[in-house]
Amino acid sequence: DAKTTQPTSMDCAEGRAANLPCNHSTISGNEYVYWYRQIHSQGPQYIIHGLKNNETNEMASLIITEDRKSSTLILPHATLRDTAVYYCIVLISGTYKYIFGTGTRLKVLA
Amino acid sequence: DAMVIQNPRYQVTQFGKPVTLSCSQTLNHNVMYWYQQKSSQAPKLLFHYYDKDFNNEADTPDNFQSRRPNTSFCFLDIRSPGLGDAAMYLCATSGYNQPQHFGDGTRLSIL
Repeated sequence: DAKTTQPTSMDCAEGRAANLPCNHSTISGNEYVYWYRQIHSQGPQYIIHGLKNNETNEMASLIITEDRKSSTLILPHATLRDTAVYYCIVLISGTYKYIFGTGTRLKVLA
Repeated sequence: DAMVIQNPRYQVTQFGKPVTLSCSQTLNHNVMYWYQQKSSQAPKLLFHYYDKDFNNEADTPDNFQSRRPNTSFCFLDIRSPGLGDAAMYLCATSGYNQPQHFGDGTRLSIL
């Protein structure tokens, strides 16, 4: 199974872009990368997902390297409410199994 | 407009006393999941259903069982809870080409 590795924690100044990296060097060619975030005492919330191309939605952008071994989640203008744990997740090919990374605790500082 | 609903949000049980956690969904998704999440850790998949097909993870203890009587409902049964089973239990659903949707979890305490 593909695994993801993420930094344990990061800080970001309010109003700045938050760039959260994820390494998934063993990912297979047709396995999607998903990003979720979890605020204390709530369930994980979907942010964005992608396969090969970069993706953007109203919440964030996802940049996937050409070799697909890593990706970066970008929150363009971080706010205090973006303080959360961010999980990089791989959907295992041919299954409905989502493999969570260890997560990055993002703290947005005023 | 809650889509994945877990009841109760907090559950207290005694050591060794069976407990059941429940989950319901309004999304009509085929797949339902149960995760265990301990403090400061990522969610750990226990099992999932694709329709009525049950898929157990190899390292899920026998103490944990699940039932899915219909599309909308799924239950997690812990037969003889130990102190190490105290955790947040998360239910999630997914459908074809749909990302997972999570409930807000049930926090289980063992006395």
